[in-house]
Amino acid sequence: KAGVTQTPRYLIKTRGQQVTLSCSPISGHRSVSWYQQTPGQGLQFLFEYFSETQRNKGNFPGRFSGRQFSNSRSEMNVSTLELGDSALYLCASSAWGGQGDTQYFGPGTRLTVL
Amino acid sequence: EDQVTQSPEALRLQEGESSSLNCSYTVSGLRGLFWYRQDPGKGPEFLFTLYSAGEEKEKERLKATLTKKESFLHITAPKPEDSATYLCAVQLNTGFQKLVFGTGTRLLVSP
Repeated sequence: KAGVTQTPRYLIKTRGQQVTLSCSPISGHRSVSWYQQTPGQGLQFLFEYFSETQRNKGNFPGRFSGRQFSNSRSEMNVSTLELGDSALYLCASSAWGGQGDTQYFGPGTRLTVL
Repeated sequence: EDQVTQSPEALRLQEGESSSLNCSYTVSGLRGLFWYRQDPGKGPEFLFTLYSAGEEKEKERLKATLTKKESFLHITAPKPEDSATYLCAVQLNTGFQKLVFGTGTRLLVSP
């Protein structure tokens, strides 16, 4: 079974631009979560989606948004990029989105903001 | 505030030298504790889930244990390919999937 895929793998943007990142979950998985990983803050939770609904959101500004499609694929968008948004953005999928359900991570998208 | 603390930050072992990594947590209600391994430039790879105090799980040279306040990842006779960052994460009893991660332990195993 193919794992979680994320595209693109690398992105370079300048301040003020916006960016869209894509995540395809493991086939049959219905829940997708997004995390931001930086050297200073480690892994921090961004959003959680299940059946096209955002169920939970982390403590990030409104510039960070996301959505999930009917095929469980998910996108996240960051508008008005800031230098501090440079990070590895990780997507994780789980089968049924319940508590205790294992989240499997993709390889991440490395975003660099200049 | 819910907190997860991992120690040590970095650990250097000789091949075959067993050791333990620690993950201590202070949370309002624990649903599960997860261990992941992360190699440079890659996403975290799932290792174990522990749900209740006293639970133990094993996989090859790794064994994870859980108490009411902390978890240990024991590495027996490590090999160089065990070199990675080991991440601990807790899931709270809130009905959501959100994981709260520790900052990880960087393990280097020398031949």
